[in-house]
Amino acid sequence: GAVVSQHPSWVICKSGTSVKIECRSLDFQATTMFWYRQFPKQSLMLMATSNEGSKATYEQGVEKDKFLINHASLTLSTLTVTSAHPEDSSFYICSAVGGSTDTQYFGPGTRLTVL
Amino acid sequence: SQQGEEDPQALSIQEGENATMNCSYKTSINNLQWYRQNSGRGLVHLILIRSNEREKHSGRLRVTLDTSKKSSSLLITASRAADTASYFCATDASGANSKLTFGKGITLSVRP
Repeated sequence: GAVVSQHPSWVICKSGTSVKIECRSLDFQATTMFWYRQFPKQSLMLMATSNEGSKATYEQGVEKDKFLINHASLTLSTLTVTSAHPEDSSFYICSAVGGSTDTQYFGPGTRLTVL
Repeated sequence: SQQGEEDPQALSIQEGENATMNCSYKTSINNLQWYRQNSGRGLVHLILIRSNEREKHSGRLRVTLDTSKKSSSLLITASRAADTASYFCATDASGANSKLTFGKGITLSVRP
């Protein structure tokens, strides 16, 4: 089956620093990648849709200057949380879609804790 | 806004019993997908059912879709302790370019 990886799996940082999270599709080319955020005991909330070679499309209420998304290749998308604050602490999950399937394959998630 | 709404929100059953989880949604869809999430982990894709399908099976999983009622059900037969997880339905709305909208999820506990 399709495999999506994320790195790092967890990160702790100080308030005001920036954190980059990578999402890779390991065995398929992902034409579209999605970034989600999940707070404890809650559902996934879509943050943005990322298409290779074009600007990401952000959902309403998500600050594009704070959550920078780059989808430079068909196998890699990155999410950078700039000037992170404690309220940005969350579980960030990416997913990827590619080929002829409609199925979104999810990465294992990245736990971000901002002190 | 939430598209999928699952019920019940929490379900506790004995190992060997069947677990039925329901999902309702509001708009027209291309497909509906069910995912499982173990605590603190990513999502595992279970099954996808298209809008023109009514029922699909995969191992111990059976999914139904009723587009007239805008609802779906996930049945896990002969449950195991390892099935303990949160289950989410997600809808791919018509014209949404594969964007998924997730329900709030159901927490399933299977007692050994």
